[in-house]
Amino acid sequence: ILNVEQSPQSLHVQEGDSTNFTCSFPSSNFYALHWYRWETAKSPEALFVMTLNGDEKKKGRISATLNTKEGYSYLYIKGSQPEDSATYLCAHESASKIIFGSGTRLSIRP
Amino acid sequence: DAGVTQSPTHLIKTRGQQVTLRCSPKSGHDTVSWYQQALGQGPQFIFQYYEEEERQRGNFPDRFSGHQFPNYSSELNVNALLLGDSALYLCASSLAGTEGETQYFGPGTRLLVL
Repeated sequence: ILNVEQSPQSLHVQEGDSTNFTCSFPSSNFYALHWYRWETAKSPEALFVMTLNGDEKKKGRISATLNTKEGYSYLYIKGSQPEDSATYLCAHESASKIIFGSGTRLSIRP
Repeated sequence: DAGVTQSPTHLIKTRGQQVTLRCSPKSGHDTVSWYQQALGQGPQFIFQYYEEEERQRGNFPDRFSGHQFPNYSSELNVNALLLGDSALYLCASSLAGTEGETQYFGPGTRLLVL
């Protein structure tokens, strides 16, 4: 994998359901993997920065895992709420640059 | 504590013109990165400034240049504007240190080139 790829591109989830999505990135020259939440008309908000293989981070109902050897990270949201509706971006940081994926657009149905 | 601010919020220019966008970092931050986000894509890294020098650069032509001032604020300049330069330009600030520093984003400047 040469680019940062996120899947799915968009997701519609019923309120209360749990969901997850994927970020795939180059496994070479890895410094860190960033997750951001970007709500409409707001600035991207940093969720997690993950640097070590096997890292697991948690913030409230949101958690993330990291596998640097195979080049993927999962973001999980437990018990989705309307305020979770946003675009979730991941970014791969190497020595020379930061590359963002195109994001997963999450919509929560009440 | 003021977060990252950017000005202007919106801008309309015509092809061939030049534009300057401005960014003030979060208080205490010394590093500023600039990104271009076209519709339907993730932010594309343009360059990063630290200690008033360009530290890293993405795949953008020389028409894109920048500057960082002693107070850590930064400008992004784009010369000879093309229609394809229409995008949201995001500025992010961070504190230099080890890899994996958290970046804080501003609200962006939306540039339209006609």
